[in-house]
Amino acid sequence: DQQVKQNSPSLSVQEGRISILNCDYTNSMFDYFLWYKKYPAEGPTFLISISSIKDKNEDGRFTVFLNKSAKHLSLHIVPSQPGDSAVYFCAASVNQGAQKLVFGQGTRLTINP
Amino acid sequence: EAGVAQSPRYKIIEKRQSVAFWCNPISGHATLYWYQQILGQGPKLLIQFQNNGVVDDSQLPKDRFSAERLKGVDSTLKIQPAKLEDSAVYLCASSLYFRVTDTQYFGPGTRLTVL
Repeated sequence: DQQVKQNSPSLSVQEGRISILNCDYTNSMFDYFLWYKKYPAEGPTFLISISSIKDKNEDGRFTVFLNKSAKHLSLHIVPSQPGDSAVYFCAASVNQGAQKLVFGQGTRLTINP
Repeated sequence: EAGVAQSPRYKIIEKRQSVAFWCNPISGHATLYWYQQILGQGPKLLIQFQNNGVVDDSQLPKDRFSAERLKGVDSTLKIQPAKLEDSAVYLCASSLYFRVTDTQYFGPGTRLTVL
């Protein structure tokens, strides 16, 4: 039962353009959502999060959008840079106590010069 | 500030052998997590500690996996005996407190190969 799904295993974008990574979830109890970035041979690194009371959160070049009715979130990176090439995981948690993260399968983003 | 430390980084064992992984979280972090990440999948939570107490181990295969955090600081995860399907990266993470908004900081992981 995959509660968090990232349907695109990979995405290739030209440097300077917008990268859009998508994530869908099925559990309506999730109310806190996060994106993590992972480089090879390293652990995931927190990127940005959003609570279900918001529909948008922005941090520099990164913006996360949440559509609760569609159970869908997306991460926009503008402009994309070569250092953004990594695997991106979306994750979700229920707002009860500590984070109990459920991760998607990940999307490998490649930024081409 | 030092990050989450894990050792060993790589381990190769035969099936039915035992293996142990060690994690030292960021100093002062109360909550510690162990995840299993199988190739091509996202990390899956195995067990969660708050200080030295287990908060959630619902996804830990308790017939072969065990974990402890005796002094509320570092932690060990053990597999005994290992199966082929245990081949994965084992990630340790820690967070400062026990709130849903507390960022989890991950270590580099231990890559386990079971032959």
